[in-house]
Amino acid sequence: DTAVSQTPKYLVTQMGNDKSIKCEQNLGHDTMYWYKQDSKKFLKIMFSYNNKELIINETVPNRFSPKSPDKAHLNLHINSLELGDSAVYFCASSQEGTASSGANVLTFGAGSRLTVL
Amino acid sequence: GNSVTQMEGPVTLSEEAFLTINCTYTATGYPSLFWYVQYPGEGLQLLLKATKADDKGSNKGFEATYRKETTSFHLEKGSVQVSDSAVYFCALSRSGYSTLTFGKGTMLLVSP
Repeated sequence: DTAVSQTPKYLVTQMGNDKSIKCEQNLGHDTMYWYKQDSKKFLKIMFSYNNKELIINETVPNRFSPKSPDKAHLNLHINSLELGDSAVYFCASSQEGTASSGANVLTFGAGSRLTVL
Repeated sequence: GNSVTQMEGPVTLSEEAFLTINCTYTATGYPSLFWYVQYPGEGLQLLLKATKADDKGSNKGFEATYRKETTSFHLEKGSVQVSDSAVYFCALSRSGYSTLTFGKGTMLLVSP
């Protein structure tokens, strides 16, 4: 059983289109995240949700809209795709608590590679 | 704000060589420190962590010690294998928060 699963794994689309990436975790974690990894492997937090509520929204264009229907799912919808959106998007989850209890450890999905032409 | 600085890669080593990847951080308070590893085509996996000063994290022969006086968390391994070839990320999280701030990653290439 995959702990954090993302679909699709690969997505190729034209500029201006709208697309979604889905994420599901079966770990029972309270918090889910989206990270963007650029071509140089740099990872940047985009969003964080705790129990379906948005708690972090970094400087991300409002063309990106996360949606969390329940605490096991966090989907990412992107409108009007641009060339610069090409990247690998990683979903992750974690359990809140003390660091010594094993909290603050993120479990990542395998990534969704988005290519905008 | 919080930040993590890692040495630039790629680091190229022969099998059985000693590995050090430097990592320093800037943070307020007492962050937790992590090393994550990303194998080709995969997501990130936790390699090791340390939650307070002087803690040593270790896993799969890798070690890193949380040094508050030098704000460092350098990754070491005594004898690398070809299968260790991957990108290694140093990261921190603020006390009480899970969100990670990552370094830029260091690619390690190990040849037979």
